[in-house]
Formats: sequence, C-alpha cells, structure tokens
Amino acid sequence: NAGVTQTPKFQVLKTGQSMTLQCAQDMNHEYMSWYRQDPGMGLRLIHYSVGAGITDQGEVPNGYNVSRSTTEDFPLRLLSAAPSQTSVYFCASRSLAGGLDEQFFGPGTRLTVL
Amino acid sequence: AQSVTQLGSHVSVSEGALVLLRCNYSSSVPPYLFWYVQYPNQGLQLLLKYTSAATLVKGINGFEAEFKKSETSFHLTKPSAHMSDAAEYFCAVSDPLVFGKGTRLSVIA
Repeated sequence: NAGVTQTPKFQVLKTGQSMTLQCAQDMNHEYMSWYRQDPGMGLRLIHYSVGAGITDQGEVPNGYNVSRSTTEDFPLRLLSAAPSQTSVYFCASRSLAGGLDEQFFGPGTRLTVL
Repeated sequence: AQSVTQLGSHVSVSEGALVLLRCNYSSSVPPYLFWYVQYPNQGLQLLLKYTSAATLVKGINGFEAEFKKSETSFHLTKPSAHMSDAAEYFCAVSDPLVFGKGTRLSVIA
C-alpha cells in the first residue's frame, strides 16, 4: 500500500491564482481530512469527509473548497490564493469501522503564495 | 466543541532525564485522545491513543500517557530522554481530530 499520497510536494503561487492540492489513499478509508500547519498554531482542520459525496467544514474553511467524488480521492481547491494561505498542508485518512482508529497522514504539500 | 491545550511551546531536557509534555483537554463527551510526533520536515506519526480501554496507555519509542478524567489531562511521559526524541509533539482530541499547538522537545547531550 502506498498509504496517503499528496501532490505536489512544493508549490509557489501568485496572489489570485487558483490551484488544486491532490490527496489520494489506497486503504479504502471512508474518512479523509485536510489540515494546514503554521508555526506556533499546530494543525488546524480545514475540511473533512466521511464518505463519497459527504463533506463538512473544519476550523478554518474559508478560502478552500473540497469535493469527494470517490472514496480514494479528496482534492483541496484554492480558488483565489492569498498570502495568508502560505502554509504546509496535510491530508489524512482513517477507517470508520471498528471504533476510532488512528489517522494516517500524507507527507504534506508546502505552499507559498506571493 | 472539543479542544486541547498544550502547556509549554518548548521543553528542553538533558539526555537520560524524564520527559513530561503536558496536555489538557476540553470535551463534553468522553474523549478519544492522541499524541502524535513530527520529526523535522516530515509528516505526523502516531505515538499512542486513548480510547477508554485503559487509563495508562503505552506507545512507541518508550512513551506513555495517563488519562486523568478528574484533571482533564493526558500528559505524555518517557522515563529517559534520548537524542532521537527531539521533535515536535502534538496532543489531539477526536472526533473530528483537533490538535493542540504543539510542544517542541529539545534534548541536550
């Protein structure tokens, strides 16, 4: 299993540009989520999904869109990038079967918005 | 809403000394609690989790944590620090998983 994969690893955008951060998992996990990590702020939940077609907002959803058309993929879209979205983004997934299990994290995408 | 507070953004210990990283939680329901570790430029790795089976939880790399409902705490400990323990540690409560701001552990030779 590849686990949770994220692309790209690094990205530089100009203010106002749009882009999609890709996240995929091959563990058949129902639950997937996106976090951003900023110095001194820990990881903050952006959006999450409990299955295909179902998404919900986390702590910091503004400026980000998500959709979940398949179990495997959970892309994060920035429609109009802003410097405040400069961060490291982590995708995670876990199974919803058998109680609360650990989340598996991807390696992260480092995004810089100029 | 559930939340966690980590006391101390930076903790420094000598090699061989006790490691104690503090975490307090707030939850209106019985919580599920986690400790994750992040090494420089890497993703997060689960150290241990509490899911109400036992109050003392043992994790990887010699770490353990004790759930104390009366104190709403879930502190992480390790009897003897090693240089390889230097990393950032995050406490988290679920569901959905919400993290504390993290504690950076430095180990001095």
